Amino acid sequence: QVQLHESGPALVGPSRTLSRTCSVSGGSVNSGRFFWSWIRQSPGNGLQWIGDIYASGNTNYNPALKSRVFISIDTSKNQFSLSLRSVTPADTAIYFCARGGAGGRYFDSWGQGAPVTVSS
Amino acid sequence: EIVLTQSPGTLSLSAGERATLSCRASQSVSSSNLAWYQRKPGQAPSLLIFAASSRATGVPERFIGSGSGSDFTLTISRLEAEDSAIYYCQQYGGSPWTFGQGTKVEIK
Repeated sequence: QVQLHESGPALVGPSRTLSRTCSVSGGSVNSGRFFWSWIRQSPGNGLQWIGDIYASGNTNYNPALKSRVFISIDTSKNQFSLSLRSVTPADTAIYFCARGGAGGRYFDSWGQGAPVTVSS
Repeated sequence: EIVLTQSPGTLSLSAGERATLSCRASQSVSSSNLAWYQRKPGQAPSLLIFAASSRATGVPERFIGSGSGSDFTLTISRLEAEDSAIYYCQQYGGSPWTFGQGTKVEIK
């Protein structure tokens, strides 16, 4: 059974870059059947999809965040990563990594999620 | 962007009762590309239903997804104590993929 685990700094200063890495076990990010995603949940707000990446490196980003987001994949380490530039307190959230389903763009496995606070 | 509106906000029922959760989209969701997730406190969301009515692996038969177009429903036929959670719908018929704000199910 695939497992995903997020890592990265829990505190980021305003205007800096937020970075998260998702390590995958029990499955391969190099599988062409799936895609790999980042999703966040802000305090008091709902879930927001950030973006996806395939093993090929092709990406798809939420237009609301597209100008600040970069998602990459490292098949040798079985990991994928998120960078979010120029953060503000509004980017404070729980950040989840997830695997996209083979049959469509739903999310069939999720990491536990980790809170990231943007504050000086 | 497709906006999903879930109702009610909170549902408080007794074990054994039927729960009916609604998810309404601001426009038709193509090919019934709608999923439902369950999220318990301190845990990540867990996929229950995809393609509006297909149960994910290991999901009990009491969870039933239905609907099409812009109106979708998750029914929990006989509530159990372990079903206490927040339930989210998500559409993947049109990018960006979006989620509803959630319905909290409480077991009395």
